[in-house]
Amino acid sequence: GAGVSQSPSNKVTEKGKDVELRCDPISGHTALYWYRQRLGQGLEFLIYFQGNSAPDKSGLPSDRFSAERTGESVSTLTIQRTQQEDSAVYLCASSLSDTSLGGYSPLHFGNGTRLTVT
Amino acid sequence: GDSVTQMEGPVTLSEEAFLTINCTYTATGYPSLFWYVQYPGEGLQLLLKATKADDKGSNKGFEATYRKETTSFHLEKGSVQVSDSAVYFCALSDLRTGNQFYFGTGTSLTVIP
Repeated sequence: GAGVSQSPSNKVTEKGKDVELRCDPISGHTALYWYRQRLGQGLEFLIYFQGNSAPDKSGLPSDRFSAERTGESVSTLTIQRTQQEDSAVYLCASSLSDTSLGGYSPLHFGNGTRLTVT
Repeated sequence: GDSVTQMEGPVTLSEEAFLTINCTYTATGYPSLFWYVQYPGEGLQLLLKATKADDKGSNKGFEATYRKETTSFHLEKGSVQVSDSAVYFCALSDLRTGNQFYFGTGTSLTVIP
């Protein structure tokens, strides 16, 4: 089936505006992650959804960032009052979460949304 | 908590050279270990994985062995090619403690002809 789909692929916005990024995970994947990758840097964890459990929001950098997920489907990451330091590639990934797999459940990444705040 | 530490780059090698990228981990349970690769202009993709101690993951000539005694998962390739130029990320995950993924900071590899 289709892989993880993210939209838009590129977004340019003015400082102070709100943006919404979308992620469509692979069908059947119960776990969904958002990461941020600044230019030349590693992956910064933002938020993790697992089924109907409360999300792990420990990576969100400020209260301007929020994310939602409806059931086991689409997720949206919202950044309010964007700042220039928010410029980065925002990556979404999904995975199965099934202990019957014996601990093997790799992440499948989307191609990311490149956000540029001017 | 769980974490991954990998060697900093950038790494520059000549074609056909031997590659090692070090990765060590800290985990409270028994995680699965992964190497992900990000080619220029592309998204991250799984390169190889190992799910238990002494397992060896391999793909595209790359290998990594899950060493519990040294808590390491070093990536190796005997003869690199220009097409191996990419950023490599070590990662761990433990389904039994919530399936959170922890990534290293990435190591950039450039292979020159």
